[in-house]
Amino acid sequence: QKEVEQDPGPLSVPEGAIVSLNCTYSNSAFQYFMWYRQYSRKGPELLMYTYSSGNKEDGRFTAQVDKSSKYISLFIRDSQPSDSATYLCAMSRQGGSEKLVFGKGTKLTVNP
Amino acid sequence: DVKVTQSSRYLVKRTGEKVFLECVQDMDHENMFWYRQDPGLGLRLIYFSYDVKMKEKGDIPEGYSVSREKKERFSLILESASTNQTSMYLCASSSTDSSTDTQYFGPGTRLTVL
Repeated sequence: QKEVEQDPGPLSVPEGAIVSLNCTYSNSAFQYFMWYRQYSRKGPELLMYTYSSGNKEDGRFTAQVDKSSKYISLFIRDSQPSDSATYLCAMSRQGGSEKLVFGKGTKLTVNP
Repeated sequence: DVKVTQSSRYLVKRTGEKVFLECVQDMDHENMFWYRQDPGLGLRLIYFSYDVKMKEKGDIPEGYSVSREKKERFSLILESASTNQTSMYLCASSSTDSSTDTQYFGPGTRLTVL
């Protein structure tokens, strides 16, 4: 079983849709969960950062962590064409000071 | 804002050449990382460093070495480039001051080995 599983998509939605992106993981020691957004031919940029279980909201983005199910989600409300990118989940035991384990990324296209 | 810069966005080298990829961060971060990113394989850790002159192997260190002579600079070295090292190389940095911090990435270097 891979440490982190992420559906690669691609996912195509109309502008204004609610998007749900998900990752599952197997290592119960993971405590820190991140979502990165990566535009084509660019480096990943941090979108959301969550410690342990719970929800975190930032504008149109909501990150959820369910440690009991080993499942994390990123929701994008009122999606925009500028949200078209690859979304990477990442996680670790001790935050950013150690190796992050990444999902393979989900490619999202938001159509105008 | 954290800024991580990489010396080249695109690089083309020939098999057998020695290749240097440079990364500089301006946030006084202790930790620096080199990943490579390949389609279908995601990001994989090559090497990382917790301090000047310190280095640790990641998951795929074979064929690579690193150098960290100054806190802000972390170099990845391909001693003898091979075609299977054609990839996107990403540098990242993070602080150990707070467990709530995370890794910040540079723009990447797309290396092609012919």
